[in-house]
Amino acid sequence: GAVVSQHPSRVICKSGTSVKIECRSLDFQATTMFWYRQFPKQSLMLMATSNEGSKATYEQGVEKDKFLINHASLTLSTLTVTSAHPEDSSFYICSALAPSGGGHTDTQYFGPGTRLTVL
Amino acid sequence: QKEVEQNSGPLSVPEGAIASLNCTYSDRGSQSFFWYRQYSGKSPELIMFIYSNGDKEDGRFTAQLNKASQYVSLLIRDSQPSDSATYLCAVNKDNTGKLIFGQGTTLQVKP
Repeated sequence: GAVVSQHPSRVICKSGTSVKIECRSLDFQATTMFWYRQFPKQSLMLMATSNEGSKATYEQGVEKDKFLINHASLTLSTLTVTSAHPEDSSFYICSALAPSGGGHTDTQYFGPGTRLTVL
Repeated sequence: QKEVEQNSGPLSVPEGAIASLNCTYSDRGSQSFFWYRQYSGKSPELIMFIYSNGDKEDGRFTAQLNKASQYVSLLIRDSQPSDSATYLCAVNKDNTGKLIFGQGTTLQVKP
């Protein structure tokens, strides 16, 4: 199956600092990647759709200037949480679209996630 | 009405039994249907996807799709304690790849 990596897996930072999370598709090229956030015991919340070579599409209520997304290559998307605050502490998960074949919709494969703690 | 609905559970089954997880969706034009498993503290992992009406089997897992009833299910045969997790149903409404997720059903398999 398709493999997606994320780095770092865990990060602890001070309030006011910026944190960059990388998402890589290891064995396929991904024109489209997605960024999710998940709070404890809650469902996945889609934050934005990242498209290679173009601006990300953010979901309603997600601050574009707070969560910067860059999809500079077909295998790498980055999410930067700027001026992080304790309320940004969460589990951030990326996914990448891989071809399903047969003319069907591509399939999302998830990275292992990044646990962010802002002190 | 939520776009994708699942019973949050928990669904408790004894080891070796069949676990049946259900999901309904509201958009009749939905194209593709996915089941993911998420262990506590981990990210979702793909179990299987289904596009056509009927059953699709993969090992101990069988996905069932009924587009007329807007219903998709996942059967897990010979349930094991290691199957204890939250199972997420996801629906793709168009060809963008964007998924609409249900709230997930928590499955507990008791030894």
